[in-house]
Amino acid sequence: NAGVTQTPKFQVLKTGQSMTLQCAQDMNHNSMYWYRQDPGMGLRLIYYSASEGTTDKGEVPNGYNVSRLNKREFSLRLESAAPSQTSVYFCASSSQGVPGNTIYFGEGSWLTVV
Amino acid sequence: AQSVTQPDIHITVSEGASLELRCNYSYGATPYLFWYVQSPGQGLQLLLKYFSGDTLVQGIKGFEAEFKRSQSSFNLRKPSVHWSDAAEYFCAVGPISNFGNEKLTFGTGTRLTIIP
Repeated sequence: NAGVTQTPKFQVLKTGQSMTLQCAQDMNHNSMYWYRQDPGMGLRLIYYSASEGTTDKGEVPNGYNVSRLNKREFSLRLESAAPSQTSVYFCASSSQGVPGNTIYFGEGSWLTVV
Repeated sequence: AQSVTQPDIHITVSEGASLELRCNYSYGATPYLFWYVQSPGQGLQLLLKYFSGDTLVQGIKGFEAEFKRSQSSFNLRKPSVHWSDAAEYFCAVGPISNFGNEKLTFGTGTRLTIIP
């Protein structure tokens, strides 16, 4: 029972490099999310996808792009990494149409930009 | 705008002692309220949630939380903590009319340490 799987788990990038974080869920959820977690800041939403074929900006979208490849997969791309993007990134998913539906999180991706 | 405050950054309790983690929220109407737990190196897991009905909500792992509208609080409690409860705990608030979670606001978390 995999749930939400994200890769890679750890990555070190140099400033200006690009990379893509991959995420897949096997719960047939419509909605998927990318969050970043920074000390003292809690979780902040970067982008979300309410359904296949749609994406929208969250609270902190600058410097990121996303692709909802299909219902299962939602990737996050850093085109030109900056030290300010050093963070822990979480992919998550939830079903739609149920009030207060539970968000299921992946285990996180630790990204360091030097 | 909605907001969540977790006033305690770090709490240390002895194993077997009771626990209360504080959460205060600001929202213009009745919100959805959640508590999530994050074990070291893991993603967040839902402990419990409230959106209507009985103001005392039971969750997993023996946790409960009480919604107090007059105090805008949703404090998490456990009568007797176990060493495995050491983790970071996040309170979250969201609008009751929203079917998705994109409007969910998370608190900054409370780290719980358990001493033998």
